[in-house]
Amino acid sequence: SQTIHQWPATLVQPVGSPLSLECTVEGTSNPNLYWYRQAAGRGLQLLFYSVGIGQISSEVPQNLSASRPQDRQFILSSKKLLLSDSGFYLCAWSGAGYTFGSGTRLTVV
Amino acid sequence: KQEVTQIPAALSVPEGENLVLNCSFTDSAIYNLQWFRQDPGKGLTSLLLIQSSQREQTSGRLNASLDKSSGRSTLYIAASQPGDSATYLCAVKNNNDMRFGAGTRLTVKP
Repeated sequence: SQTIHQWPATLVQPVGSPLSLECTVEGTSNPNLYWYRQAAGRGLQLLFYSVGIGQISSEVPQNLSASRPQDRQFILSSKKLLLSDSGFYLCAWSGAGYTFGSGTRLTVV
Repeated sequence: KQEVTQIPAALSVPEGENLVLNCSFTDSAIYNLQWFRQDPGKGLTSLLLIQSSQREQTSGRLNASLDKSSGRSTLYIAASQPGDSATYLCAVKNNNDMRFGAGTRLTVKP
């Protein structure tokens, strides 16, 4: 069966520090992968999606970037975090429907 | 660009009531529609997936309908329980991405 792993679960980082969140999928090949952000009390905003290795589409201009170095690995990064980057980050892959990871709560202080 | 709206934003009901959550979307050319549940601080759990060719899906006390032409979906919860308290999210898939509504926060009181 397909599973999706996302880590870390929580992260507190100072402003200006770098960020790396990792997401991996098991049990499927060449999945479409997604990064979403959920700000407090708001809906999910699509940040990036990838249909294959090295293929990244960005939805909104922002302080973040994404990479897909391997078929089942999707990484969300930032060189210098801003306070506004705080939020709940979710990774997902799509098969028949979408399956989400358990999320990372990022607090930038 | 697809826009997804959910009403109401919040709902509080006594235990045992049947309830309906609403979702509307602006672009009817969807591949599928999915309802999720999110508990506080947690990820999303898929409840029901309706393909664009389907009208409804059922799972236990949950029933989701889809009217693609009018851009609407409803999630019906029968005999609500306190354990149903959560935020319910509707999402529609066009092309390679999925757009979400802001959710309905449901509270079921014992």
